Amino acid sequence: NAGVTQTPKFQVLKTGQSMTLQCAQDMNHNSMYWYRQDPGMGLRLIYYSASEGTTDKGEVPNGYNVSRLNKREFSLRLESAAPSQTSVYFCASSEGTGGSGANVLTFGAGSRLTVL
Amino acid sequence: AQSVTQPDIHITVSEGASLELRCNYSYGATPYLFWYVQSPGQGLQLLLKYFSGDTLVQGIKGFEAEFKRSQSSFNLRKPSVHWSDAAEYFCAVGASKLVFGAGTILRVKS
Repeated sequence: NAGVTQTPKFQVLKTGQSMTLQCAQDMNHNSMYWYRQDPGMGLRLIYYSASEGTTDKGEVPNGYNVSRLNKREFSLRLESAAPSQTSVYFCASSEGTGGSGANVLTFGAGSRLTVL
Repeated sequence: AQSVTQPDIHITVSEGASLELRCNYSYGATPYLFWYVQSPGQGLQLLLKYFSGDTLVQGIKGFEAEFKRSQSSFNLRKPSVHWSDAAEYFCAVGASKLVFGAGTILRVKS
């Protein structure tokens, strides 16, 4: 059981380039999330998808777009990368349907992005 | 708005000593509270959660946390720390969207 899989694990971009981070989960979870982690700031929510077909902005959505391709997959796109987007990105998923497991997030291993 | 404060950026304890990591939160309703642990280069793993009921919750790896509504706190404790506990610990609060604290880095002295 793979859980949450993110690709790529590492990426170096030049300012202005675009890229997409891919995320897939195999737990039949309804909700998926993208967070970024920066030193001393914890994790900040970029976008989330409560269920298939819906997406919503989090705390720091500027410069990003997302696509909930199907129930399993949730991608994060940087259209024109900036040095401020250098970070470690985490995808997560949760059952999201109510009950004690609804809000328990399962995280991927992370994607380290450097923008030069 | 919901928020989480972890006052200690770094904590160093000796192996075998007790541990308490502090977490204070701000939330408009009855909170869902979580502690996650992150080892270097890894994703986050759930240690324990509080949804309702008994205010002392047990988690994995011998950790426990106590919810104190009057103090808006959810401190993490372990009676005897092992070298393998060295990691970064995050407190989080929320329902559909979790808000995380800035994290506390735990170092363990042998």
